[in-house]
Amino acid sequence: SYVLTQPPSVSVAPGKTARIICGGNNIGSKSVNWYQQKPGQAPVLVICYDSERPSWSPERFSGSNSGNTATLTITRVEAGDEAGYYCQVWDSSSDHVVFGGGTQLTVL
Amino acid sequence: QVQLVQSGAEVKKPGTSVKVSCKTSGYTFTAYYMHWVRQAPGQGLEWMGWINPSDGGAHYAQNFQGRVTMTRDTSISTAYMELSSLTSDDTAVYYCARGYMTMVRGGLIIFFEYWGQGSLVAVSS
Repeated sequence: SYVLTQPPSVSVAPGKTARIICGGNNIGSKSVNWYQQKPGQAPVLVICYDSERPSWSPERFSGSNSGNTATLTITRVEAGDEAGYYCQVWDSSSDHVVFGGGTQLTVL
Repeated sequence: QVQLVQSGAEVKKPGTSVKVSCKTSGYTFTAYYMHWVRQAPGQGLEWMGWINPSDGGAHYAQNFQGRVTMTRDTSISTAYMELSSLTSDDTAVYYCARGYMTMVRGGLIIFFEYWGQGSLVAVSS
């Protein structure tokens, strides 16, 4: 089955840029989506189609996808961005939705 | 506005079953597949499968084949997920999520724009 690999944690100072990676075999050929999840809350879609932002997602959030790595970039990080972040794709080989293991973003 | 409202928390004994409901409003229930995703305490998201509310057809993740049944009642715009033979490993928050599904360049794309609030299922003897 297809595996998405994320670092367990990323730390960043307020006002700086955070980059959260999602690794997968030839992930650049898939469409990657990203979710933000705060404690006790349901996930919220922040990026779809690799790099498109839903209307509710701040402009500070952007995404890219190429080769074996997809990246979620958060610029001008705020304390409110502290959350878990998950990447997600559809794997046509197994006919499964696949989530990465998640990355906890800590704002220092 | 689109809303997905799930049933409340449940405590179950090992070996029994649980049925979680997801009542929808604000959109045409039969127009979007409903997916179920679970999250064990302190763990990541795990996809369980989907149901097509239009015809009731379902597709389950391999990990849950034979134990999960997804159904719907179109008269009340509600989807259900039933999980049987529960063990302590099934202790988790279960989410319903409305799937946006489209074909691009011959490939299926799925993502989740709207989620229920989650239903905690605790399995304990």
